Amino acid sequence: DADVTQTPRNRITKTGKRIMLECSQTKGHDRMYWYRQDPGLGLRLIYYSFDVKDINKGEISDGYSVSRQAQAKFSLSLESAIPNQTALYFCATSAYGELFFGEGSRLTVL
Amino acid sequence: DAKTTQPPSMDCAEGRAANLPCNHSTISGNEYVYWYRQIHSQGPQYIIHGLKNNETNEMASLIITEDRKSSTLILPHATLRDTAVYYCIVRPPLSGNTPLVFGKGTRLSVIA
Repeated sequence: DADVTQTPRNRITKTGKRIMLECSQTKGHDRMYWYRQDPGLGLRLIYYSFDVKDINKGEISDGYSVSRQAQAKFSLSLESAIPNQTALYFCATSAYGELFFGEGSRLTVL
Repeated sequence: DAKTTQPPSMDCAEGRAANLPCNHSTISGNEYVYWYRQIHSQGPQYIIHGLKNNETNEMASLIITEDRKSSTLILPHATLRDTAVYYCIVRPPLSGNTPLVFGKGTRLSVIA
C-alpha cells in the first residue's frame, strides 16, 4: 500500500459543485501539504499544516479550504468548483526534510 | 516565489551523464538545496539534497559550488526512465516553518 493515498484519483464535476479531495498517510508525519499542478507549470502550494491544530495558506489558497481531521488525514475542499480549478492535485507529507507525495488526484471541472 | 532558476529543458543521450544546472544566488547560509523529479504526471520523487558539501547517493550526485550560488545534479548514466521534470528547490533549515516552493523545473529528455 502507498504511504500517501489520495482519493479520488480522477473526478469530473460541474461548475458550482462542492468537491472534496482526501489524503491519508501512514508515514506518521506531522506535516501535510496540498499542491496544485497545471499543464506545463510546476507545483503551486495551496495549503499546508504542520500539525493537527495548524492550518496555513499557501500561494493560491483562494477558492479552496482544508481540514486536518487527524495527524494522518488532510482534506482539500472546493466549495463551489469552477473550470479554472481543473488541475492535477497532489498531497504530500514530511517530517522535517524530504517530502513524500501521493499519486495525485486529477480534477476536471466542466 | 521560487528561489531558483533552471533551464526549461535539456536533452541527454542515453548512457551519457546528464548534468542539470540550478542557480540559487540568493541562498542563505543555512538553506539546503533539494532536488526532486516528476516522471510524467506521477507524484514528485525525492532525489538528493545538500548544504555545502557534494553529495552522492544511488540515484545521483549533487555538486554545490563553493559560494553556494549554484549547483548541478548529475545523473551519471542516464536511461530512458530518467526522462522527467527535475526540480531544484532551496529550503530553510529543518527546524523552519516554511514549506517547499517548487518552480517550473527542467524537463530532461533522455534520447536513445
